[in-house]
Amino acid sequence: ELKVEQNPLFLSMQEGKNYTIYCNYSTTSDRLYWYRQDPGKSLESLFVLLSNGAVKQEGRLMASLDTKARLSTLHITAAVHDLSATYFCAVDYSGAGSYQLTFGKGTKLSVIP
Amino acid sequence: AAGVIQSPRHLIKEKRETATLKCYPIPRHDTVYWYQQGPGQDPQFLISFYEKMQSDKGSIPDRFSAQQFSDYHSELNMSSLELGDSALYFCASSLGRGLAGYTFGSGTRLTVV
Repeated sequence: ELKVEQNPLFLSMQEGKNYTIYCNYSTTSDRLYWYRQDPGKSLESLFVLLSNGAVKQEGRLMASLDTKARLSTLHITAAVHDLSATYFCAVDYSGAGSYQLTFGKGTKLSVIP
Repeated sequence: AAGVIQSPRHLIKEKRETATLKCYPIPRHDTVYWYQQGPGQDPQFLISFYEKMQSDKGSIPDRFSAQQFSDYHSELNMSSLELGDSALYFCASSLGRGLAGYTFGSGTRLTVV
């Protein structure tokens, strides 16, 4: 069974600071996704990482994937209040020919002015 | 760009009633997924359809069923509703089983009273 673990689950940070969210997963997968969710809202796709060593950046967010370590990171640079949300990583598990996303528990980020 | 359309946005039902949620995937996407997200929880995979055939089943209760129609829209049917079924229900669609990512709809908030 695929397990996806995120840490930390809660993160309170000051504006202007940097921090990293970690996502570990338990089985081989070359595809990892990061989503943002505002309270009661949909899941907004942030990054699709499809190969070992993939690095993608959008604004103050940068995501990377190390498939050998089964680890992805989401790095936040110079946080601003607008980044406050819950961030989920998800792994595309294609075991036995099926395809489904398995999510981590999410990291609730609060950026304090 | 066209997105995944879900209806209704909100639904209030009494215990033991039935509910039907609808999902219209992005045109030309070949796979539809249903997820359930309880309060403060991560999304849990329920069921998926690839080219109108059931592809995979997750933690979907026997009281729930789903199907995908010839126009690719999908419906999630929920019977004998329980208080614990109160959640956000998301539909997602993808092309090529997630190679370009998964796009989520805005969700249906189901409240069972």
